Amino acid sequence: AQSVSQHNHHVILSEAASLELGCNYSYGGTVNLFWYVQYPGQHLQLLLKYFSGDPLVKGIKGFEAEFIKSKFSFNLRKPSVQWSDTAEYFCAVNAGGYQKVTFGIGTKLQVIP
Amino acid sequence: DAEITQSPRHKITETGRQVTLACHQTWNHNNMFWYRQDLGHGLRLIHYSYGVQDTNKGEVSDGYSVSRSNTEDLPLTLESAASSQTSVYFCASSRGSGAFQETQYFGPGTRLLVL
Repeated sequence: AQSVSQHNHHVILSEAASLELGCNYSYGGTVNLFWYVQYPGQHLQLLLKYFSGDPLVKGIKGFEAEFIKSKFSFNLRKPSVQWSDTAEYFCAVNAGGYQKVTFGIGTKLQVIP
Repeated sequence: DAEITQSPRHKITETGRQVTLACHQTWNHNNMFWYRQDLGHGLRLIHYSYGVQDTNKGEVSDGYSVSRSNTEDLPLTLESAASSQTSVYFCASSRGSGAFQETQYFGPGTRLLVL
């Protein structure tokens, strides 16, 4: 069965600091990978996704993620965070067909002005 | 604009009562999902459906049921609510028919408190 690990459960950064959130998955075959964001009091929104092609994926609000197949990783990055990036970030993987998506437990990011 | 809605947004109920949470999407998506979100567990899949009359169990389906009588709706029923079912419930939908590349779109969530 597929699984997703997010290594950082709570991250605190100052504004303008660089961000990298780790995500590893366990599945040997073809995968689709997602990062979702949940702002305080809101529902989950898609940040970016990887299906195929260029392993460096750019999403909304300056976020990007790199798929490294050999490391089973899909880490999320942003060069300079803003206070408005304070949210919870979920990595998710879809493998084996038929739309089942497995989510990581999430990483709470707090950006201090 | 197409959207996905959930009702109620907040619900307080008592142990043992039957509760139904509604989910309605206007995208005409084939696939619909119910998740619960709990601290330390992230999102866990409860039930899902790939089309009308199709329902499947997720990883935490005990005590829950769903039915899919039309494309737009996937109500989630807690047969006999338990305190362990206090959670935030999210409904999601996606396009595709068996294809596994589609993005899921989430509703605003329902906060359920079981006393």
